Amino acid sequence: DTAVSQTPKYLVTQMGNDKSIKCEQNLGHDTMYWYKQDSKKFLKIMFSYNNKELIINETVPNRFSPKSPDKAHLNLHINSLELGDSAVYFCASSQDGSSYNEQFFGPGTRLTVL
Amino acid sequence: AQKVTQAQTEISVVEKEDVTLDCVYETRDTTYYLFWYKQPPSGELVFLIRRNSFDEQNEISGRYSWNFQKSTSSFNFTITASQVVDSAVYFCALSVGEAAGNKLTFGGGTRVLVKP
Repeated sequence: DTAVSQTPKYLVTQMGNDKSIKCEQNLGHDTMYWYKQDSKKFLKIMFSYNNKELIINETVPNRFSPKSPDKAHLNLHINSLELGDSAVYFCASSQDGSSYNEQFFGPGTRLTVL
Repeated sequence: AQKVTQAQTEISVVEKEDVTLDCVYETRDTTYYLFWYKQPPSGELVFLIRRNSFDEQNEISGRYSWNFQKSTSSFNFTITASQVVDSAVYFCALSVGEAAGNKLTFGGGTRVLVKP
């Protein structure tokens, strides 16, 4: 059984389009995250949700809007896509939001903006 | 603010050689946690180990070992007798404090290439 799943795995789209990435975890965790990995492999937190409540919003442009319909899902919607949004986006979850807990990552979604 | 530095961008070794990955961190918090993650060519991120700031005991797990030294703010990782399957990017990461909403601050990663 997949612990943290993301769809789609690959996403190729034109500049200016709006797209969504979905994430689901079946671990019963309370906290979910979105990270962005750029072309140089650098990983940076974007958002964190704890029990559907936004906890961390790490200076991400307003074009990015996370939505958590329940604690098992955290989706990422991106408006007006730009070339610089091309990256791999990772969803992750942890048991709760404490610093102690390891985070389990999804397989990533490679977004290419043309 | 937190910072994690992995000075080695790429390490190339021949199979069966040992390889040590360096990690230096910066934080003003007294409670923090250090992690190592592995990202193989397939792209997923795999958790390897966690250490808290109060536990400087080093650990060996199979071919992996970790050396945590608070005095030098380092959390180094060694693969003994490397194998081709160890080829991956390895990330050191830091999380701090006790508040909810833990975020991982990652280092830039070290690519390990193990040649047969």
